[in-house]
Amino acid sequence: QQQVKQSPQSLIVQKGGISIINCAYENTAFDYFPWYQQFPGKGPALLIAIRPDVSEKKEGRFTISFNKSAKQFSLHIMDSQPGDSATYFCAASISGTYKYIFGTGTRLKVLA
Amino acid sequence: NAGVTQTPKFQVLKTGQSMTLQCAQDMNHEYMSWYRQDPGMGLRLIHYSVGAGITDQGEVPNGYNVSRSTTEDFPLRLLSAAPSQTSVYFCASSPLQGRSSYEQYFGPGTRLTVT
Repeated sequence: QQQVKQSPQSLIVQKGGISIINCAYENTAFDYFPWYQQFPGKGPALLIAIRPDVSEKKEGRFTISFNKSAKQFSLHIMDSQPGDSATYFCAASISGTYKYIFGTGTRLKVLA
Repeated sequence: NAGVTQTPKFQVLKTGQSMTLQCAQDMNHEYMSWYRQDPGMGLRLIHYSVGAGITDQGEVPNGYNVSRSTTEDFPLRLLSAAPSQTSVYFCASSPLQGRSSYEQYFGPGTRLTVT
C-alpha cells in the first residue's frame, strides 16, 4: 500500500513531441506528489509538485495531471527538447510523516 | 549558498570496514534525509531528521546510523560495510515551514562500492 508504481521504465520521444510519464498509488492518505528530474551523475532536482486539492498544475512546459478517484498522477512535458533527456521520478508523501515514497524512475530520451 | 554538499564523491570499502558519509546544508532547513539509489529501485529513504537531536528510521535503516547535533550537518555512518550497501547515496534537506515546505533539495551524491 506504500508503493508508487511508475511507468514506462523508458521513453523515447522526438523533439517537439509530448512526453507522458504515469504514476499510480494505493494509499489515499498521500497528499503531496512531487516530480524530480535527475541528470547523470547529479542529484535529483524538484521539477514540479501538486497537492490533491487541484487536478492540474502547469509550470512552463511541464504539467502535472492528478486524478484523485483513479489514484493516478502524470507528468506531461510539452514540446520536448533534447535537454529534457534525463531520468524522472515521481514521489508521494503524507504531510507530517516526513517520509517520501519514490517511483522507480523513467529514463527519457528526446531525439534531436 | 552552497546548498547541500556531500563528501566524499566516491568511496571504496572492504567488507566489514566502517565509514561516515558527510552531509551539510547552509539553508537552515529543519528537515534532512538520507536516501540510497539502486538501479531499477528508485530512491529509498534510510533515515531522516526534523531537527537537531531528532532522528527517525526510514524504509531501509538496517546497517546505518545517523545523528544530528547541529541544524547544518547530518552524517550517515556505516558500521560494518557489506556488499549489499554498494549504492549511490543522496542527502536531501527541506524547510518544514513556509511556502517551500517539503520541497527537498538533494546533494550531488556519494557513490559507494563495497568489495
